[in-house]
Amino acid sequence: ETGVTQTPRHLVMGMTNKKSLKCEQHLGHNAMYWYKQSAKKPLELMFVYSLEERVENNSVPSRFSPECPNSSHLFLHLHTLQPEDSALYLCASSQIKGTSGGAYNEQFFGPGTRLTVL
Amino acid sequence: AQKITQTQPGMFVQEKEAVTLDCTYDTSDQSYGLFWYKQPSSGEMIFLIYQGSYDEQNATEGRYSLNFQKARKSANLVISASQLGDSAMYFCAMREGSGNYGQNFVFGPGTRLSVLP
Repeated sequence: ETGVTQTPRHLVMGMTNKKSLKCEQHLGHNAMYWYKQSAKKPLELMFVYSLEERVENNSVPSRFSPECPNSSHLFLHLHTLQPEDSALYLCASSQIKGTSGGAYNEQFFGPGTRLTVL
Repeated sequence: AQKITQTQPGMFVQEKEAVTLDCTYDTSDQSYGLFWYKQPSSGEMIFLIYQGSYDEQNATEGRYSLNFQKARKSANLVISASQLGDSAMYFCAMREGSGNYGQNFVFGPGTRLSVLP
């Protein structure tokens, strides 16, 4: 059973809708990430949260808005998306090096949310 | 510039045979980590194996081993005795520097492995 869960698993939305993706990690990690995986493109890191500090990728459009209320939960709020935003959105968590857990600071991934924007 | 290169978009291997998936990387950091992940059709990314830049021995995890050639900046994944369940996308990834959370965690484009019965 994965330590990182994501809901919903599938989402279809119109360009004028507002929706949110949720991620929860049960591993006691202190860093969480959002990735976008489009067809035939490498995984793109969108956002990183670590110790409540957000490290943002400047190339992410403002129609994507992350929220990290605590170290176990991460949200991605979506509004006025475009069809090209259709992709698999993956959440991951890891433990910062030097603290207990995660031998290699490898990232543990959730199953993803398959988003389709019509 | 591409940090991680995987030159094989797709690979086929016969069941029970061994297969090597190529990965080359580009970094000027002395301290870095190399990872391989497997992504089955379900979408979840599964961590397979890790190699640290200072590790002198090649990493092994069960049927997975990493052929680390530091001077050539390559970190090929070797899967021995392939099984049908190994069919998936395989991603090579690198974390540059030490103490970084993931800002410098980059993935390659992936290789799709198909195991034939």
